[in-house]
Amino acid sequence: DSGVTQTPKHLITATGQRVTLRCSPRSGDLSVYWYQQSLDQGLQFLIQYYNGEERAKGNILERFSAQQFPDLHSELNLSSLELGDSALYFCASSVEIGEQFFGPGTRLTVL
Amino acid sequence: AQSVTQLDSQVPVFEEAPVELRCNYSSSVSVYLFWYVQYPNQGLQLLLKYLSGSTLVESINGFEAEFNKSQTSFHLRKPSVHISDTAEYFCAVSMIKAAGNKLTFGGGTRVLVKP
Repeated sequence: DSGVTQTPKHLITATGQRVTLRCSPRSGDLSVYWYQQSLDQGLQFLIQYYNGEERAKGNILERFSAQQFPDLHSELNLSSLELGDSALYFCASSVEIGEQFFGPGTRLTVL
Repeated sequence: AQSVTQLDSQVPVFEEAPVELRCNYSSSVSVYLFWYVQYPNQGLQLLLKYLSGSTLVESINGFEAEFNKSQTSFHLRKPSVHISDTAEYFCAVSMIKAAGNKLTFGGGTRVLVKP
């Protein structure tokens, strides 16, 4: 158990819909990262928050957004969903420098 | 920008045989290096990391990796694998002194240990 929690574990929805994925980092970790894992793209960095502020952005689509709240949990919002958004979405957390600890992931299926 | 190449997408290996997973990276700046393992239907777990110091790093379950700066490589080895080592292994880098320390991953190597 990494100490990072993600909900829900599975999500099945339809094209055009909007979903919210939730992540709680390890106690004491200020940084939260979101990654997408898909068969065609592999593991891709989406976005990082540090203590409530956006710190780095990857190839995140404009339809996707994220935020980190004062209690340090984070949410990833995916809207106008397309079939190609089906993937595993991982959240990770870390202290300032060093390894990242990954949650179990949310498997999103868009039908 | 940085990139990571894992040269083998799949590696079948017999139980108790040695295994080597190759990882090469490209970066214009110095990087930290990591190996993560993903067991079926699970998240990623850190296997080992190189931040500084000795270029040979070891994990508690018998894996080791050696950082070779001149060859920009960070190959992972285990002298004798177990069935339980069946998993997908990801090499990753993050830039030192960057704003944010996102991980850039290789494409992964699936290790299938056969009895």
